[in-house]
Amino acid sequence: AQKITQTQPGMFVQEKEAVTLDCTYDTSDPSYGLFWYKQPSSGEMIFLIYQGSYDQQNATEGRYSLNFQKARKSANLVISASQLGDSAMYFCAMRREGQGNLIFGKGTKLSVKP
Amino acid sequence: GAVVSQHPSWVICKSGTSVKIECRSLDFQATTMFWYRQFPKKSLMLMATSNEGSKATYEQGVEKDKFLINHASLTLSTLTVTSAHPEDSSFYICSARDLQGVTDTQYFGPGTRLTVL
Repeated sequence: AQKITQTQPGMFVQEKEAVTLDCTYDTSDPSYGLFWYKQPSSGEMIFLIYQGSYDQQNATEGRYSLNFQKARKSANLVISASQLGDSAMYFCAMRREGQGNLIFGKGTKLSVKP
Repeated sequence: GAVVSQHPSWVICKSGTSVKIECRSLDFQATTMFWYRQFPKKSLMLMATSNEGSKATYEQGVEKDKFLINHASLTLSTLTVTSAHPEDSSFYICSARDLQGVTDTQYFGPGTRLTVL
């Protein structure tokens, strides 16, 4: 069965510093996609970054990068130069290839301190 | 990114009434939409997959007669909570699958907070 594990229920980071949010996954499928979403207190889910299992390079989107280590089945999100507006819940998710729905981890609450 | 809207953003209703929530993809066609439910401080749990022009596929444990889903067009899916009870109070989020994008991404609506008195 597919499973996403986020072991950090809460994280603190100083403004302007980098932070890594952990995500490990479990799947026997050869092809899958990994996603990170941000959920501020307003509740909306904001797509941040995507990594395909066959992608050779780690995905990057602005201040977000995904540290994809396939052998270890980890897909950590790195946020550089944290901003106060980055304070939110962050969810790691996985999608099996050929299926549309996402399986979510429990989330990590990130708090950026001024 | 693509835009998905949900309406209403919040609703309060009396026990026993039905509530309809709309999910629209505003700038792309979505043959598949998903409905999730999220309890406070919890993760998102998939309720059902909504396919345009066909019956929805419900996850195990989700009552299809209670949570009616209709995907009438390529841009609209509706979730109707029938005979709502206080235990149905939750945050309901829809997402739409954009197959035309580079990464086959799901974009989420802003969510609907349902409170049943």
